[in-house]
Amino acid sequence: EVQLVQSGAEVAKPGESLKISCKGYGYSFTSHWIGWVRQMPGKGLEWMGSISPGDSHTRYSPSLQGQVTISADKSISTAYLQWSSLRASDTAIYYCARQERDRDGYYFDYWGQGTLVTVSS
Amino acid sequence: EIVMMQSPATLSVSPGERATLSCRASHSVSSNLAWYQQKPGQPPRLLIYGASTRATGIPARFSGSGSGTEFTLTISSLQSEDFAVYYCQQYNNWLMYTFGQGTKLEIK
Repeated sequence: EVQLVQSGAEVAKPGESLKISCKGYGYSFTSHWIGWVRQMPGKGLEWMGSISPGDSHTRYSPSLQGQVTISADKSISTAYLQWSSLRASDTAIYYCARQERDRDGYYFDYWGQGTLVTVSS
Repeated sequence: EIVMMQSPATLSVSPGERATLSCRASHSVSSNLAWYQQKPGQPPRLLIYGASTRATGIPARFSGSGSGTEFTLTISSLQSEDFAVYYCQQYNNWLMYTFGQGTKLEIK
């Protein structure tokens, strides 16, 4: 069974760094891109970026480039999303999702349970 | 950036009736369109990909149609578990995936 298991909820202060994780089970982790999707409180879904765990090739949303870093450790089937300096506006639920190839692109077929990040002084 | 616009924002329908949700893209996305269902406190769930192909385990009452810039998700006979928020998402431009703002399907 395919599963993506994310790390637990985090509370942090503005300016702090943070790294959350997403571990894949039940499939070949290097065969599928992993995407990160943000959901701010009461809002919709926003794609942040994606990584190919096999070669760590990354793509970022232009609106978020430079604000976060996506990485992966294929030896432990885990992808990461990290911030070097959090802001209150980073408060959101963050989902990782496996990407499946369609003819011309990739959709998100399996999702992690989400990680709530709260940034508050 | 391809902008995805969903309508209506909220749809009130009685159980057993048909629900029709719309999604419009600012530029053609061919058939590279997916639909997701999200219930409170849960992650999104893939319903449809390729504009019209049901994902594994999705009941036949869910159907998708359209191509280019106009898409529709139809739920033929609403069950209680179908009341949720629905999002469309284009993956034609994979330098920038975009979601619609969502349609909340509520019980009438």
